[in-house]
Amino acid sequence: DQQVKQNSPSLSVQEGRISILNCDYTNSMFDYFLWYKKYPAEGPTFLISISSIKDKNEDGRFTVFLNKSAKHLSLHIVPSQPGDSAVYFCAASAQGSDMRFGAGTRLTVKP
Amino acid sequence: EAQVTQNPRYLITVTGKKLTVTCSQNMNHEYMSWYRQDPGLGLRQIYYSMNVEVTDKGDVPEGYKVSRKEKRNFPLILESPSPNQTSLYFCASSWDRVGETQYFGPGTRLLVL
Repeated sequence: DQQVKQNSPSLSVQEGRISILNCDYTNSMFDYFLWYKKYPAEGPTFLISISSIKDKNEDGRFTVFLNKSAKHLSLHIVPSQPGDSAVYFCAASAQGSDMRFGAGTRLTVKP
Repeated sequence: EAQVTQNPRYLITVTGKKLTVTCSQNMNHEYMSWYRQDPGLGLRQIYYSMNVEVTDKGDVPEGYKVSRKEKRNFPLILESPSPNQTSLYFCASSWDRVGETQYFGPGTRLLVL
């Protein structure tokens, strides 16, 4: 039972344009959401997070939006750069419990 | 440099031959965990440890064992590996169970024939 879903296995965008990665969840108890970035042959690294009391969190070129009523979050990367090419995992946690991860979306940013 | 190390990075073995994947962290973190990553399923937690001698099952613990005798080390043991344990394994450590502080190791790719 996958509680966190990333329905797009891959996404390709042009350098300089916006990348939008989507994530849906089913557990209404989730109150903390994170995005991780993973390069080949490396472990995931934390990118950005958002608490359920917010609907937006921004860090430089990265912004995460949370829509609690739709149980949906998205990661926006503007502008996209070739170095952003990686697999992005969405994760969620309920009240400090262990995280549940989505299957990941492979982002390719073309020069 | 803060890091989580795993060994070996790649391993090919045969069904039933016991193996251990080591994990070590140098950040004095109390919380450590093991994940496996499979296509279409993302990362799923196998076991976690809140501190020395305190371990508990994650979502997919069947066929695995762990131990936490020292704070820095958290080995993953496969007593009798089977082909369905072919996967990419990640060890992680952090100050707590959630998120930003979680550091992942580089991964161990295991193939069980």
